Amino acid sequence: NAGVMQNPRHLVRRRGQEARLRCSPMKGHSHVYWYRQLPEEGLKFMVYLQKENIIDESGMPKERFSAEFPKEGPSILRIQQVVRGDSAAYFCASSPQRENYGYTFGSGTRLTVV
Amino acid sequence: LAKTTQPISMDSYEGQEVNITCSHNNIATNDYITWYQQFPSQGPRFIIQGYKTKVTNEVASLFIPADRKSSTLSLPRVSLSDTAVYYCLVGALTGTASKLTFGTGTRLQVTL
Repeated sequence: NAGVMQNPRHLVRRRGQEARLRCSPMKGHSHVYWYRQLPEEGLKFMVYLQKENIIDESGMPKERFSAEFPKEGPSILRIQQVVRGDSAAYFCASSPQRENYGYTFGSGTRLTVV
Repeated sequence: LAKTTQPISMDSYEGQEVNITCSHNNIATNDYITWYQQFPSQGPRFIIQGYKTKVTNEVASLFIPADRKSSTLSLPRVSLSDTAVYYCLVGALTGTASKLTFGTGTRLQVTL
């Protein structure tokens, strides 16, 4: 039973490009959460999704960021027109039921904007 | 939303017991206390969760006094591989995910 799979592990983008981060939840988990971690800081909640629904996006920047969790396939976090300040580690977590603190996290995607 | 306060860093020698205390003075009746561990370049890993008194699993123990305004994560006989950041989280199991705030955690350094 594979854990939460995130890819790519490392992503380098030039300023102005788009970044697409993928997250496949654990088998049987239908709830996905995205977090961002800046260097030497804790994780900050971004968005909570269920299949085909965004449940809570209160932590998501209003512009350039979007997330989806389609009926088929992984959850995608998309960052358009990236800037240097977007450089961070982006972690995805999944749970089998709503808002269960026993989240399982992936290993993250490290985004570097040059 | 219950705010948590924990030491920024701690040092320990291998084989010692390590206790990390987290303060959460405004914890609500429905709030649980959850601890995560994060190694460099990895996502956080759930360690233990409790509501009151004492909880023990194969990894750690969690001590919660009667007033629940603090909690202590106890790691028995730490090894070098326990070097990590430990996060204390407080919130209701039925609360919204946006309240699952990690903070900066406690950086534990274990040496020989």
